[in-house]
Amino acid sequence: DTGVSQDPRHKITKRGQNVTFRCDPISEHNRLYWYRQTLGQGPEFLTYFQNEAQLEKSRLLSDRFSAERPKGSFSTLEIQRTEQGDSAMYLCASRPRETGTNEKLFFGSGTQLSVL
Amino acid sequence: AQSVAQPEDQVNVAEGNPLTVKCTYSVSGNPYLFWYVQYPNRGLQFLLKYITGDNLVKGSYGFEAEFNKSQTSFHLKKPSALVSDSALYFCAVRDLYSSASKIIFGSGTRLSIRP
Repeated sequence: DTGVSQDPRHKITKRGQNVTFRCDPISEHNRLYWYRQTLGQGPEFLTYFQNEAQLEKSRLLSDRFSAERPKGSFSTLEIQRTEQGDSAMYLCASRPRETGTNEKLFFGSGTQLSVL
Repeated sequence: AQSVAQPEDQVNVAEGNPLTVKCTYSVSGNPYLFWYVQYPNRGLQFLLKYITGDNLVKGSYGFEAEFNKSQTSFHLKKPSALVSDSALYFCAVRDLYSSASKIIFGSGTRLSIRP
């Protein structure tokens, strides 16, 4: 058990609907990442938070996607006006503060989104 | 740009035999390289990393990886495969130009160990 929790585990929605996912990182981790993984592919980086600040976003993240981490603890990822191409596994990962060469990411089990 | 390539979609090995999962990298500067494993219905788990030092890196579950600078490779190995090693394996590299220190993953290799 990595300690990173994601909710829900599965989400089925109709095209055009909005969806929101939640991620609770390991409590002492100040760095949080969102990735997206489609079948047969490796995870692709979406966005990164250090504490509550969103410091980097991928060009993959269209304006329909928004992420927040309001108090530097849990994070939410919202997709507005979902499209079938948004169907994927959305993964959250966290990492502690930079200490030496600590580069290990801790992943949650993901939220599987299916857009019908 | 930093990237990794995993040339094999699937690797099949008999239990007890040695296994190798291949990875090559393209990095400007010194690479930070990783292997992660994904079991069904579970999140990715860190296996091992190479940052500096010995070219042979030991990790979890008896896995090791060999860093080869001249061949720009970072192959994952295990001397004796177990059926429980069957999973999806990802090679990854840290993006040195990212303020997020984000990790870039390869496309994955499915390892299947037959009894």
